[in-house]
Amino acid sequence: AQSVTQLDSQVPVFEEAPVELRCNYSSSVSVYLFWYVQYPNQGLQLLLKYLSGSTLVKGINGFEAEFNKSQTSFHLRKPSVHISDTAEYFCAVRSDNYGQNFVFGPGTRLSVLP
Amino acid sequence: ETGVTQTPRHLVMGMTNKKSLKCEQHLGHNAMYWYKQSAKKPLELMFVYSLEERVENNSVPSRFSPECPNSSHLFLHLHTLQPEDSALYLCASSQDRIPFETQYFGPGTRLLVL
Repeated sequence: AQSVTQLDSQVPVFEEAPVELRCNYSSSVSVYLFWYVQYPNQGLQLLLKYLSGSTLVKGINGFEAEFNKSQTSFHLRKPSVHISDTAEYFCAVRSDNYGQNFVFGPGTRLSVLP
Repeated sequence: ETGVTQTPRHLVMGMTNKKSLKCEQHLGHNAMYWYKQSAKKPLELMFVYSLEERVENNSVPSRFSPECPNSSHLFLHLHTLQPEDSALYLCASSQDRIPFETQYFGPGTRLLVL
């Protein structure tokens, strides 16, 4: 079975500061990893995904994430955040078995302060 | 614009009412999904449709009844709901049910059951 842990339920950070949102997963098979963002009153939007190849993945809005297989982690980073980055961020995993569905983490609420 | 629309955006209903949520995708996708997003809980997958056929029902109570008349439309029929069913209901679609594909989400319907 798969599971996703996001250790921080809330992360407050000042504008223009760097941020890291943590994600750890457990799975017995190869996985695909995703980060989604949910802005207030909206659905989820894909930020980036790791399928294979380079472990450093770049996404939209200046975000990037690094896949670390030995630590089963897929942490999301941004070197300088903006007020507009305030949102809920979800890490998700899907396995290599056809038909396996997303397992989402509980989410991390990023609050960017002026 | 994600290409997935949901109506209504907000819905208040009594426990004896019958209502329906509608989802429409304009992306030419073959798979559609219903998720439930409750406060403080990870997203829960409810139903999966592939090529208009229901392929998964994650132990959802029978008071929720999905319908997929064609590959572009997905409905969730609601009847005799409970207050604990109050949540954000998200629809998503993907090209197919392949693990590395991105799911595109609608903005959700915020449901309140009184």
